Amino acid sequence: DVVMTQSPLSLPVTLGQPASISCRSSHSLVYSDGNTYLNWFQQRPGQSPRRLIYKVSNRDSGVPDRFSGSGSGTDFTLKISRVEAEDVGVYFCMQGTHWPFTFGPGTKVDIK
Amino acid sequence: EVQLVESGGGLVQPGGSLRLSCAVSGFTFSTYWMSWVRQAPGRGMEWVANIKVDGSEKYYVDSVKGRFTISRDNAENSLYLQMNSLRAEDTAVYYCVREGRLLDYWGQGTLVTVSS
Repeated sequence: DVVMTQSPLSLPVTLGQPASISCRSSHSLVYSDGNTYLNWFQQRPGQSPRRLIYKVSNRDSGVPDRFSGSGSGTDFTLKISRVEAEDVGVYFCMQGTHWPFTFGPGTKVDIK
Repeated sequence: EVQLVESGGGLVQPGGSLRLSCAVSGFTFSTYWMSWVRQAPGRGMEWVANIKVDGSEKYYVDSVKGRFTISRDNAENSLYLQMNSLRAEDTAVYYCVREGRLLDYWGQGTLVTVSS
């Protein structure tokens, strides 16, 4: 199975400051159709997950533009340009390229 | 508005069975792969299974193969997960999720607790 790792696992941030989360996969996530199925999700406390970014860098509708995704192959990054209070929660990456699909362990973002 | 509403969770003894349902609305159900994803208490997410638009292909994580069955009824806009031979390690919130590889919309989840 493809192992997804994230760092850091805990990220205390100052409001208005940037934040960055790294996600690495044990295998390349480039699929035979040329797409890279690496997605990012946000789970706020007590809520269901919400997809933020799909296929590495495509922001979902309604997601603030302070969120951005980048990367290729096995190394990916989610960046928040200026953290706001509503960004508190757990962020996890997920690969949809290789069966079984697998998730990263999650990065808990909170405010310092 | 896309909506996915799970039901059927609850407390069950080890070795028992449960059938989860997911009623969907707001999109053409029959044109989307669908998935089940679970989250054990205090733990990360685990993809459980997914099913092709017409039900002709199904995929499972190894830990549930032979015990869980995913199915769908396109006429009823519903997704199901039949869970047999349940174990303590199956305890989790189970989410119904639209799409296979992209998991774009999630339900609110239903809690399954396997305990004697």
